Amino acid sequence: GQQLNQSPQSMFIQEGEDVSMNCTSSSIFNTWLWYKQDPGEGPVLLIALYKAGELTSNGRLTAQFGITRKDSFLNISASIPSDVGIYFCAGRSSGTYKYIFGTGTRLKVLA
Amino acid sequence: DVKVTQSSRYLVKRTGEKVFLECVQDMDHENMFWYRQDPGLGLRLIYFSYDVKMKEKGDIPEGYSVSREKKERFSLILESASTNQTSMYLCASSPGDGNEQFFGPGTRLTVL
Repeated sequence: GQQLNQSPQSMFIQEGEDVSMNCTSSSIFNTWLWYKQDPGEGPVLLIALYKAGELTSNGRLTAQFGITRKDSFLNISASIPSDVGIYFCAGRSSGTYKYIFGTGTRLKVLA
Repeated sequence: DVKVTQSSRYLVKRTGEKVFLECVQDMDHENMFWYRQDPGLGLRLIYFSYDVKMKEKGDIPEGYSVSREKKERFSLILESASTNQTSMYLCASSPGDGNEQFFGPGTRLTVL
């Protein structure tokens, strides 16, 4: 099945730093979701985006729906050790219930 | 608080056994999904259901079947488990408009 391109694949950052990651698609999407997954657990929904250009925050997390509708961005401000995990994007086109998932960004935070 | 639960967190089965994975959601969602997740391959859709007794094949349905007799419950069945079905299985649900998708905690299945 198709996967979305997500970058970076992994990153080490210092505690307190800001983090940015993005997701790109060859298709236009109507909905973008961002998830965090801890080892051995299911993905947890962080943010949902429904309109091009939309900017939505959840605590220290901010996500944007790209204006081309083919990309999305997630920023984490002032990272802390518990931000460690894998972050996934997911996109959905109109007329389908199915989501396409990104390849994931593995985040490691150095205290 | 939205909730998707899966019947087992860890399961070990032998080759050839019939395996049932159960998923229950308490959000009155119309849509339910089964994925498997493998390193380097990401999340792959096995089957999904958009209504009771309705199902559609995903990207990798071979070797699996599903059952949805009640709105809140979606079962994944491995008719004859094989070692290449060792994986993390994730159930998810979404409302009728398809917006947002919530995952369960996953079942790590090992087939020996």
